Amino acid sequence: SQELEQSPQSLIVQEGKNLTINCTSSKTLYGLYWYKQKYGEGLIFLMMLQKGGEEKSHEKITAKLDEKKQQSSLHITASQPSHAGIYLCGADFRGANSKLTFGKGITLSVRP
Amino acid sequence: GAGVSQTPSNKVTEKGKYVELRCDPISGHTALYWYRQSLGQGPEFLIYFQGTGAADDSGLPNDRFFAVRPEGSVSTLKIQRTERGDSAVYLCASSFNMNTEAFFGQGTRLTVV
Repeated sequence: SQELEQSPQSLIVQEGKNLTINCTSSKTLYGLYWYKQKYGEGLIFLMMLQKGGEEKSHEKITAKLDEKKQQSSLHITASQPSHAGIYLCGADFRGANSKLTFGKGITLSVRP
Repeated sequence: GAGVSQTPSNKVTEKGKYVELRCDPISGHTALYWYRQSLGQGPEFLIYFQGTGAADDSGLPNDRFFAVRPEGSVSTLKIQRTERGDSAVYLCASSFNMNTEAFFGQGTRLTVV
């Protein structure tokens, strides 16, 4: 969707390196959801952000939503091969989780 | 079940045929969503159910697409007169309510030949 842009389009990193991927909206978000998808599989929920300036962490993944609620970043510390996959951000533009608009996704490869 | 279950996992059908795709949501989840994902794209919203009723069907592409959830649990997405452009992965998701995160199934890969 042009309402939601993800960057970079793809990323290859060496195992152990840190990385950051981004999700930028053309409109203010009510909520931002990060999912991970392995090829041919469903989406795995990672994190949900709803407040400006909010930051959440789980294991080695940290997601942030900026104060204006238009941009989110996902940071992975000390990447591992298990982090490889497609990272999708989904935007709630309406104030209810009933209809998410997704970006095209970022393909992450981690070289052992 | 432990997660959202979708059947079949793969479906190949001939152009013009009718297909049904089934979704079993997580037990106790009142909200259910259908999305469609084409190759290289993010999922696109189709329809959202709250309980038995379709609260938002604005993403259904045309009147060949229809979905039901008669008892507020299992949902079926129905596609009539399938076209090659309908080929995609159809994803179902459920959430406890409309304000909590949605959990996705593995999807049904539909191929129309």
